[in-house]
Amino acid sequence: GAVVSQHPSWVICKSGTSVKIECRSLDFQATTMFWYRQFPKQSLMLMATSNEGSKATYEQGVEKDKFLINHASLTLSTLTVTSAHPEDSSFYICSAIGGDNHEQYFGPGTRLTVT
Amino acid sequence: AQKITQTQPGMFVQEKEAVTLDCTYDTSDQSYGLFWYKQPSSGEMIFLIYQGSYDEQNATEGRYSLNFQKARKSANLVISASQLGDSAMYFCAMREGIDSGYALNFGKGTSLLVTP
Repeated sequence: GAVVSQHPSWVICKSGTSVKIECRSLDFQATTMFWYRQFPKQSLMLMATSNEGSKATYEQGVEKDKFLINHASLTLSTLTVTSAHPEDSSFYICSAIGGDNHEQYFGPGTRLTVT
Repeated sequence: AQKITQTQPGMFVQEKEAVTLDCTYDTSDQSYGLFWYKQPSSGEMIFLIYQGSYDEQNATEGRYSLNFQKARKSANLVISASQLGDSAMYFCAMREGIDSGYALNFGKGTSLLVTP
């Protein structure tokens, strides 16, 4: 099956710093990528939809200036958490859509801890 | 409004027994897809099974089957012959039509524990 990678798999950063998370589709071109956030023992919540070459579409309540998304190519989308705070600590998962059937492939996730 | 409802926060099942995880959904779209994912403690989302709204037969994938009752808007996951490795969180999700951009709406999940 198609493979989506995320880097880093985990990161610890200090409050006020910025963190960049990469999402790559390794063996297919992803027209659309999604970023989800999952707090402990909760469900995945869609943060934004990222289309190659255009601005991301953010879900209601998600600050676009805080969570910067760049979909620079058909195989790479990045999520930058700017001025991170402890409440941003979460599990961030990306997914990518490819192929005619619009099947969605998930990355392994990135665990962010802000101290 | 919640589009996917999973009413069982936690379930126990004995090894080798079958278990049903409930999922109901809400949509006005005629074309939609229903998914089940397994999430072990590692966090990765493992795709289990898919049911399209126009599929007349219930989907099956090995020990997983989806009991699709369209009129009741339910899409329950049945795991037969449970194994210890089945212990994980299970999420039901729905993808609506093209206007949704193909994003998935997830339920709150059910934590399944398989006991020896």
